Order: sequence, then C-alpha cells, then structure tokens
Amino acid sequence: GENVEQHPSTLSVQEGDSAVIKCTYSDSASNYFPWYKQELGKRPQLIIDIRSNVGEKKDQRIAVTLNKTAKHFSLHITETQPEDSAVYFCAASKANFGNEKLTFGTGTRLTIIP
Amino acid sequence: NAGVTQTPKFRILKIGQSMTLQCTQDMNHNYMYWYRQDPGMGLKLIYYSVGAGITDKGEVPNGYNVSRSTTEDFPLRLELAAPSQTSVYFCASTPSGRGEQFFGPGTRLTVL
Repeated sequence: GENVEQHPSTLSVQEGDSAVIKCTYSDSASNYFPWYKQELGKRPQLIIDIRSNVGEKKDQRIAVTLNKTAKHFSLHITETQPEDSAVYFCAASKANFGNEKLTFGTGTRLTIIP
Repeated sequence: NAGVTQTPKFRILKIGQSMTLQCTQDMNHNYMYWYRQDPGMGLKLIYYSVGAGITDKGEVPNGYNVSRSTTEDFPLRLELAAPSQTSVYFCASTPSGRGEQFFGPGTRLTVL
C-alpha cells in the first residue's frame, strides 16, 4: 500500500520567517495530496490540497508544490504568524472515482517564535 | 448544519469491556471514515464506508467493527477493549470521496 513520509517532525521558526515541510510518497498512482492543520486538542482541518495535474498551488501565505517524478510534495508557509503554530499533516491518495482513502504522514509540529 | 458530531468526548474503559463510538453527519455525505490518532503520530484508517450498507477495512481494522445502516450514522464498535486501543478516534466524511474530508471533534478513549 501507500507509504507517506514527512519531515521534519518538529520545526521552529521566527515569526515572519518562512516554514517548509516536505513529504514523500511511494505509490506512483497517487494523485491527490492534501495538507491538514491540527491545533492542540482540535480536529484536523484542510488548509490546501493539490492534484497531480498541477505542479503548484497557492492560497495567500500558503503554497504547495508537487514533483511527481521524484514523488514528493512540500508545504510552504510565508510570513509566519503565531496562529500558524500547530501540527501539520500531509496525506496522499489515489482519488479513483468512488474510493478515496487517505494515507497520512506522521505530522510536523510547527512552533512560531514571537 | 452541525457537520460531523461524535459522542462521547471522553471515555475510560476497563480491559475486556465493550463500547460503541457514535458518529453522525448532517451534510448528506456518502463517504464516511474512522481514524485513530496515537500520540505524536498521524491518522490511521480503521474502517470506511462509501454509502449506506457498504463498509470496508482500512489499515488497522483488528479489534473493531462498523455498520452503516443510514447515510447519517457510522458507529464504531469495540468488542473487547485492550490497552493498545487507547487513542483519539476521529470520524470524517466527504461528499464524493474525491476531496476535503470533514472531521468530527474526536473521542479520547483510555483503556486501563
């Protein structure tokens, strides 16, 4: 089955700096790659996703890049703010019609230092 | 819409006891999922359902059972609780299985 590896497991950055989290996947048939943010004690929430027909997607301070050849994708957060402190999970799936099962990475705990 | 709701929020079980974790969604989503999240780890899929009457195993189904008699409800059953089942359990749903999964608030289960 699919295997998703995520690095780093913890990341601390100064407020205003950029943060980058990287994930690799094993199944070349995977074609949907979401990123979820989970604040302490809360439920995971989708922040951005990308499909395999696109190399990059941006939403304000958040961007995701995908390299299908190398089977890796990354989350980029620019101009970090204290409210960006959370655990971030990447995931991958083969979004075949009628059967989307996500395989999650192990998470990155991001701490923004004021 | 309440979205995805889960009950109970917290529960402590003794080894060998059984319980049902409830999950309900009011968004008319066909696809529903159960995950467990162990401390410092990602989410592991236990079971999922693509519609009423249809369920299938995920990555870690042993020790659990599910049923899906209606579109709204997807309960998760633990028959003989074991310490290894201590975890936070999340239910999620999505309309078509091809996009954002909406998560419930979670149930924190401790088995002693």
